[in-house]
Amino acid sequence: AQTVTQSQPEMSVQEAETVTLSCTYDTSESNYYLFWYKQPPSRQMILVIRQEAYKQQNATENRFSVNFQKAAKSFSLKISDSQLGDTAMYFCAFMKPTSGTYKYIFGTGTRLKVLA
Amino acid sequence: DTGVSQDPRHKITKRGQNVTFRCDPISEHNRLYWYRQTLGQGPEFLTYFQNEAQLEKSRLLSDRFSAERPKGSFSTLEIQRTEQGDSAMYLCASSNSGQGSNQPQHFGDGTRLSIL
Repeated sequence: AQTVTQSQPEMSVQEAETVTLSCTYDTSESNYYLFWYKQPPSRQMILVIRQEAYKQQNATENRFSVNFQKAAKSFSLKISDSQLGDTAMYFCAFMKPTSGTYKYIFGTGTRLKVLA
Repeated sequence: DTGVSQDPRHKITKRGQNVTFRCDPISEHNRLYWYRQTLGQGPEFLTYFQNEAQLEKSRLLSDRFSAERPKGSFSTLEIQRTEQGDSAMYLCASSNSGQGSNQPQHFGDGTRLSIL
C-alpha cells in the first residue's frame, strides 16, 4: 500500500523568505501523480502544484516549485518570497491512475505560519 | 465554475442520531469523492463515484455509512446511529475524467460533524 509522510508538523518563515516543506512517499508504482494542496484556516483545500512522475522536469507555479526526486521518493515544496496569505496547512498527496478510482492518499500535513 | 458546494457547514447532533450531508460537485465533473479528516490528520478516502456508480468504498466506511449519487450529479452521505468517533470534517471533492486521469480534485468547504 502507498504511504505519504510529512515529517514537519509545523514550520514558520519570515515574510519574503523562502521555505521548503518536505514529503516522502512509498510506492512500487512507476506511473503516478503527486500534488500539494493548501488548506487555509476554515477554508477549502486548493491545489498548489502537481507533478507527473514520468516528467523529470520539476513543476513550477509562480512562487511555488517542487523538487521531485523519483529515486528517493521525495517531493518537496519550495515557497519563495513567502506572503502572509501563505499561512495554511499544506498537504502532500499521491495518486496512482491504475487504481481505477484516482483517489488521493494524503500525508498528515505541515502547518505553515508566515510571520510579519 | 461555482466550485464544490457542501451542506451543512456544521452539524451538531447527539450520539445515536442519523445525519445526512449533501455535496454538489462542479457541474461538468463526473467523478465524486468523499473523504474524512480528523484533527491533526490528512483527509482519508471514504468512497468514490463515477457518474452514478459507486465504484469503491474504503474499509473506513462501516455499515452505518451509506453514500448515494442517484442521478450522477449531487451526492449524499448518511451516517446512521452516530458514534463519538464519527466526529470529523467530511470533505467532498470532484474531478473531470474528460481530459485524462490526472485532472486534479476540487474540494468543498467540508461539513464539520460534532457528536455530543
